[in-house]
Amino acid sequence: SQTIHQWPATLVQPVGSPLSLECTVEGTSNPNLYWYRQAAGRGLQLLFYSVGIGQISSEVPQNLSASRPQDRQFILSSKKLLLSDSGFYLCAWSAPRDGGYGYTFGSGTRLTVV
Amino acid sequence: GDSVTQMEGPVTLSEEAFLTINCTYTATGYPSLFWYVQYPGEGLQLLLKATKADDKGSNKGFEATYRKETTSFHLEKGSVQVSDSAVYFCALSENRGSTLGRLYFGRGTQLTVWP
Repeated sequence: SQTIHQWPATLVQPVGSPLSLECTVEGTSNPNLYWYRQAAGRGLQLLFYSVGIGQISSEVPQNLSASRPQDRQFILSSKKLLLSDSGFYLCAWSAPRDGGYGYTFGSGTRLTVV
Repeated sequence: GDSVTQMEGPVTLSEEAFLTINCTYTATGYPSLFWYVQYPGEGLQLLLKATKADDKGSNKGFEATYRKETTSFHLEKGSVQVSDSAVYFCALSENRGSTLGRLYFGRGTQLTVWP
């Protein structure tokens, strides 16, 4: 069966420090991968998505970047965190070329920038 | 473009009350439709889905029917429990052979159930 792992679960970082959040998927090949942020409420904001190794699409310009160094690994990074980067970050995967599958989400990372 | 509109909430109910959360969509093709649930402090979980018109998705006592004529996918439950308190997201995905299979989410509806 497929599983998705996301870590750390919580993180408190000072302003200006770097960030690295990791997400890995097991039990599937060539998944589509996504990073979402949920800030101060319920809405989901798509940050990045990837359809393959090294292929990253950004939805919104911001202080963050993403990389996909391996097929089932997706990393969210920042060189210098801002207070506005605080939020709940969610990684998700979906089957490629299958609109009926939906997403499977990780358990999320609660990031607080102080 | 594709989009989902769901009632904003918050929705507050007493235990055993009937629940409806409205969701309507706009899509150019024939999308698949989903309801996700997010319990406090957790990621989103797939609650139910329907992939074609007139399909009914169901899970944990929740139901939603894919209504193409009204472009709706309303979530219902006959008798809610305190444990159903969560945020509920409606979403759609176009079935156009895209390599992405991207989901478009509504803004979420907070449900609180009191004992």
